[in-house]
Amino acid sequence: EPEVTQTPSHQVTQMGQEVILRCVPISNHLYFYWYRQILGQKVEFLVSFYNNEISEKSEIFDDQFSVERPDGSNFTLKIRSTKLEDSAMYFCASTDRRSGELFFGEGSRLTVL
Amino acid sequence: ILNVEQSPQSLHVQEGDSTNFTCSFPSSNFYALHWYRWETAKSPEALFVMTLNGDEKKKGRISATLNTKEGYSYLYIKGSQPEDSATYLCAPSGSGYALNFGKGTSLLVTP
Repeated sequence: EPEVTQTPSHQVTQMGQEVILRCVPISNHLYFYWYRQILGQKVEFLVSFYNNEISEKSEIFDDQFSVERPDGSNFTLKIRSTKLEDSAMYFCASTDRRSGELFFGEGSRLTVL
Repeated sequence: ILNVEQSPQSLHVQEGDSTNFTCSFPSSNFYALHWYRWETAKSPEALFVMTLNGDEKKKGRISATLNTKEGYSYLYIKGSQPEDSATYLCAPSGSGYALNFGKGTSLLVTP
């Protein structure tokens, strides 16, 4: 069964460092998302991506964040200069239609020291 | 992005009990309502996507209803089993692309 894959599963980084989280969505899906969950809190929407551009983003998704779909299969989230409060589980998700059910990856745990 | 409230925050039932939880959202600018099941150490998994007022969906012992006019959805689990233990998330979507997840209802079913 097709699935969304994410790498790395866990990354530890120093504050101020750049981090890139990678996702391979399901191949025929068109809409891509990043969500995050800070420990003990709710799952928060970061950004949606469709037709090679950001379609919607939340207030969390500031200038420190960017997304790319560089090669038609990978979908990446970059955090330019990590802060302690960026420590969270980051989930990538994809779907084949707008407001269709989301298929989530297993998540990338980011720990910023 | 539509706001969402879920209740109760957590629930502890005995195996065999039936249970239900509530998801509340603004009725204006509504497009669809999603329910997801999230087991510990796994990723959220879609249960239902509902769009029409009065929609009812069922998957095994789990079912859901939708009232878009008053802005709520119920999720029911009949004859709860320990493997139903998980966090149940609901997420409405509006005219945009984003699903805004609620804080979830954490269900624990003990034998």
